[in-house]
Amino acid sequence: AQSVAQPEDQVNVAEGNPLTVKCTYSVSGNPYLFWYVQYPNRGLQFLLKYITGDNLVKGSYGFEAEFNKSQTSFHLKKPSALVSDSALYFCAVRDSGTYKYIFGTGTRLKVLA
Amino acid sequence: DTGVSQDPRHKITKRGQNVTFRCDPISEHNRLYWYRQTLGQGPEFLTYFQNEAQLEKSRLLSDRFSAERPKGSFSTLEIQRTEQGDSAMYLCAGGQATYEQYFGPGTRLTVT
Repeated sequence: AQSVAQPEDQVNVAEGNPLTVKCTYSVSGNPYLFWYVQYPNRGLQFLLKYITGDNLVKGSYGFEAEFNKSQTSFHLKKPSALVSDSALYFCAVRDSGTYKYIFGTGTRLKVLA
Repeated sequence: DTGVSQDPRHKITKRGQNVTFRCDPISEHNRLYWYRQTLGQGPEFLTYFQNEAQLEKSRLLSDRFSAERPKGSFSTLEIQRTEQGDSAMYLCAGGQATYEQYFGPGTRLTVT
């Protein structure tokens, strides 16, 4: 069975500092991995994905994530946080043998000015 | 704006009533997903359509839930005999073979 874990309910970071939001997953086949962001009173927005190829993927708004197969992780990173990055972030995984996507419980990112 | 619309945005119904929600993705979205999201949780997969074919359905989905996508464009999700536990945000997402999904604003259901 596939699953995804976001171990931190909230991450606080000072503006200008690097940020990391953690995600680990479990699938039986090859993982397709995604990050989505939800701003207040707005719908979920796609940030980036890993399907195959280069382990480091770059996405919208300067975010990037690294696929680590041995650690079954897909952490979201940004070199320099902005106050406007404050939002709820969801990691999602899909096993290559199914159409079903599993979302984590979300991590609230708070960037402090 | 993802171009995916959902109607209605809010629905309040009494326990035992039937409700139907509609999702309109953009024309390029041959893939369509329905999710349910409750407070403090991530979206929970309900079902998946590729064009008009329903290819996957969550085992969590009881027989009271049904979804259709008759012409491979818009989709409807019906809940029969609603229960208080059905209160949630119902999300629709469109996509293509590139795997990412584009979510609509959701329909918030409150069952009283």
